Amino acid sequence: DAGITQSPRHKVTETGTPVTLRCHQTENHRYMYWYRQDPGHGLRLIHYSYGVKDTDKGEVSDGYSVSRSKTEDFLLTLESATSSQTSVYFCATGRVDTAFYGYTFGSGTRLTVV
Amino acid sequence: TQLLEQSPQFLSIQEGENLTVYCNSSSVFSSLQWYRQEPGEGPVLLVTVVTGGEVKKLKRLTFQFGDARKDSSLHITAAQPGDTGLYLCAGVSRGSTLGRLYFGRGTQLTVWP
Repeated sequence: DAGITQSPRHKVTETGTPVTLRCHQTENHRYMYWYRQDPGHGLRLIHYSYGVKDTDKGEVSDGYSVSRSKTEDFLLTLESATSSQTSVYFCATGRVDTAFYGYTFGSGTRLTVV
Repeated sequence: TQLLEQSPQFLSIQEGENLTVYCNSSSVFSSLQWYRQEPGEGPVLLVTVVTGGEVKKLKRLTFQFGDARKDSSLHITAAQPGDTGLYLCAGVSRGSTLGRLYFGRGTQLTVWP
């Protein structure tokens, strides 16, 4: 399948447990991003990657870590989930060479921390 | 601090009406994009504007980039219920990492039949 696949699509987890969200792309895009979307805040960048094993923090990175061991996969881990991390998480890829051509988004993961 | 301010936050109109959504900033952007998001899905890119003063048309949607590249607008002519969705502007700030997009908080548009 082409595009971006996020898994799982929905997850309910308990406070204090680790959670890993997966993003898989078939676009062969170098750049990948994790955003969270919350009412009143819009889309906020958590972490991004500009190549295999090359990652950097976004504006809301506390409590999150990422890993990218191959071009196709970008993992987001909540080290110890808290209720404030209840959100919808979007993965995106970006085609960037001499210009920036915009993002392609996945369909999102709805995470509830109880 | 929100780099991009969108207005209005909510817009509810009747089918056939025209509307304009605004995206403003005090910063200069190398490029600016508009996305539309429907419930349960990720945003989808509608257009990218790069040159100050640029106007792009996509059927009934007209996008304009301000001359100083600090603002943009989206105008929809004769809105239809299928235009309902969350409209997001996003920009690459001049001098920031290429590929790093800053998003506005969005305008929720509802078009009633």
